[in-house]
Amino acid sequence: AQTVTQSQPEMSVQEAETVTLSCTYDTSENNYYLFWYKQPPSRQMILVIRQEAYKQQNATENRFSVNFQKAAKSFSLKISDSQLGDTAMYFCAFMNPIQGAQKLVFGQGTRLTINP
Amino acid sequence: DAGVTQSPTHLIKTRGQQVTLRCSPKSGHDTVSWYQQALGQGPQFIFQYYEEEERQRGNFPDRFSGHQFPNYSSELNVNALLLGDSALYLCASSLWRLAPHDTDTQYFGPGTRLTVL
Repeated sequence: AQTVTQSQPEMSVQEAETVTLSCTYDTSENNYYLFWYKQPPSRQMILVIRQEAYKQQNATENRFSVNFQKAAKSFSLKISDSQLGDTAMYFCAFMNPIQGAQKLVFGQGTRLTINP
Repeated sequence: DAGVTQSPTHLIKTRGQQVTLRCSPKSGHDTVSWYQQALGQGPQFIFQYYEEEERQRGNFPDRFSGHQFPNYSSELNVNALLLGDSALYLCASSLWRLAPHDTDTQYFGPGTRLTVL
């Protein structure tokens, strides 16, 4: 069974700083997808970024980028120029689609606080 | 473009009761997945529906059942509620992908907070 591990329960940085959240996963599959979701206090889970395992290039979305190391099974999220609105729980998630079925496996989450 | 909606927002039940949660997928989506998120934990996959059939199921007992309607909306039913069923229940919608190893991104609703007393 696939597992996802986020080793940092909490992190705190000052506004405008850069922060990196760690995620490792365990799988024997070769084709899979990785995601970072953000869950602010409003509870709504919001997609931050998505990475396909077959792509060598790391995904980027504005201030958010990932460092995908397939051999090491590592998928970290970098937030540049952090903003107060980035304060949230961040979840790393893994998916290995099997015949269309799409089950997300989540890590335990990292609580990120951006301080003014 | 309406996103994923869920009802009700909050619900309080007592042990042994039954509950039904509802979800309407994002416009254009045909697949609905349900997750349970206990306090301080990551979401756990319950099951997924496509074409009104349960396509995949997580490690949850049969007390958890679901349904998908022709308009793609879905219900999650939980029977014989236990204290441990208290959680945030998240619904996510996506498009079913027929191509091998292809997948669509799941978009989540705001969740239903269930409290079992």
